[in-house]
Amino acid sequence: AQRVTQPEKLLSVFKGAPVELKCNYSYSGSPELFWYVQYSRQRLQLLLRHISRESIKGFTADLNKGETSFHLKKPFAQEEDSAMYYCALSGYNFNKFYFGSGTKLNVKP
Amino acid sequence: DAGITQSPRHKVTETGTPVTLRCHQTENHRYMYWYRQDPGHGLRLIHYSYGVKDTDKGEVSDGYSVSRSKTEDFLLTLESATSSQTSVYFCAISDGTSGGRSTGELFFGEGSRLTVL
Repeated sequence: AQRVTQPEKLLSVFKGAPVELKCNYSYSGSPELFWYVQYSRQRLQLLLRHISRESIKGFTADLNKGETSFHLKKPFAQEEDSAMYYCALSGYNFNKFYFGSGTKLNVKP
Repeated sequence: DAGITQSPRHKVTETGTPVTLRCHQTENHRYMYWYRQDPGHGLRLIHYSYGVKDTDKGEVSDGYSVSRSKTEDFLLTLESATSSQTSVYFCAISDGTSGGRSTGELFFGEGSRLTVL
């Protein structure tokens, strides 16, 4: 069965510090992985997706199939990065999306 | 923001009453989803639709039904609301036109906060 695990409910870092939000998954097949973000009073939105190999707002995520992980990283956190982050996976046909429980990132000044 | 609206945005109801939430899109996207968001559980898929009159169950479908009679509307119904269904409900849409492959991006509505007393 598919499962997305985000072990940290809350992550607090100081501005300028590196940040890593952890995501582990289980899926019988080859999943597509995503990170979604929800800023205060905004809609949930896509941050980045594995398939695009992109860096958005300084964030990157590497898919490690051996460790079944898709951790989100940023070398220097900014206060505007404070938000709720969700890791998600889908099958290759993108018909169902499964989300983790979310990690709240708090970047302190 | 993608053209997706949810109604009502807030509702308080009593246990045992029926409730219908509406999701309306203007993007002509093929896929539509209903999720519920609860602390500690994140987003959990209730039902989804891959076309008019084509729907399927998600992770937490018990107590919920859906209907999609038009491309643009996806209705979520709680036949007899219970306190455990107090939650924030999100509708999402995704492209994936017939014959083509979806980009895999979900676009979300603003959410509907439901309180069942």
